[in-house]
Amino acid sequence: RKEVEQDPGPFNVPEGATVAFNCTYSNSASQSFFWYRQDCRKEPKLLMSVYSSGNEDGRFTAQLNRASQYISLLIRDSKLSDSATYLCVVNPGGNLIFGKGTKLSVKP
Amino acid sequence: GAVVSQHPSWVICKSGTSVKIECRSLDFQATTMFWYRQFPKQSLMLMATSNEGSKATYEQGVEKDKFLINHASLTLSTLTVTSAHPEDSSFYICSARGADPFSYNEQFFGPGTRLTVL
Repeated sequence: RKEVEQDPGPFNVPEGATVAFNCTYSNSASQSFFWYRQDCRKEPKLLMSVYSSGNEDGRFTAQLNRASQYISLLIRDSKLSDSATYLCVVNPGGNLIFGKGTKLSVKP
Repeated sequence: GAVVSQHPSWVICKSGTSVKIECRSLDFQATTMFWYRQFPKQSLMLMATSNEGSKATYEQGVEKDKFLINHASLTLSTLTVTSAHPEDSSFYICSARGADPFSYNEQFFGPGTRLTVL
């Protein structure tokens, strides 16, 4: 089983749609979790950390289920500028482990 | 916020030459720097971790004699790809982490260096 596994995508959605990304991780001892956004040919940028209680930042909501080792990201009212690859990232203790990412394309 | 720069942003070289990539933390002291490589449509793969003043720790499968890492100061780490070959063509990204315990889990990424070996 891969350390961090994500929906392969691509997700093609119209503007205004709600889209959800899923991610599973294999190391049950993982302590911290993140969603990063990566634009084409650019470095990844931190979108948000993910907490056990769930957290929201504007149109973005992240959830963590430690029992299922599952992380999700929900984007509401998607914008054209949300088009990017979303990386699920897990820190099992020291280093970051990146998923392959899910590509999102928001169309007018 | 914490800023990390990389230089050069892109480089094209002939097979057999060596290429040096610099990673600098501009407004904080980076006790630890990480070097990643990303092939097209693949995830970022950690190559090595370096702590200032000590030898880098390489991930399994990464040749330390081919990818030389130097982290001589708290603001600069360099990656030298020695005797580069076409299969080394990739996107190399560094990240840096400070000593602040409150942000210990956070890594700040450089903009990356795109290496093309002909």
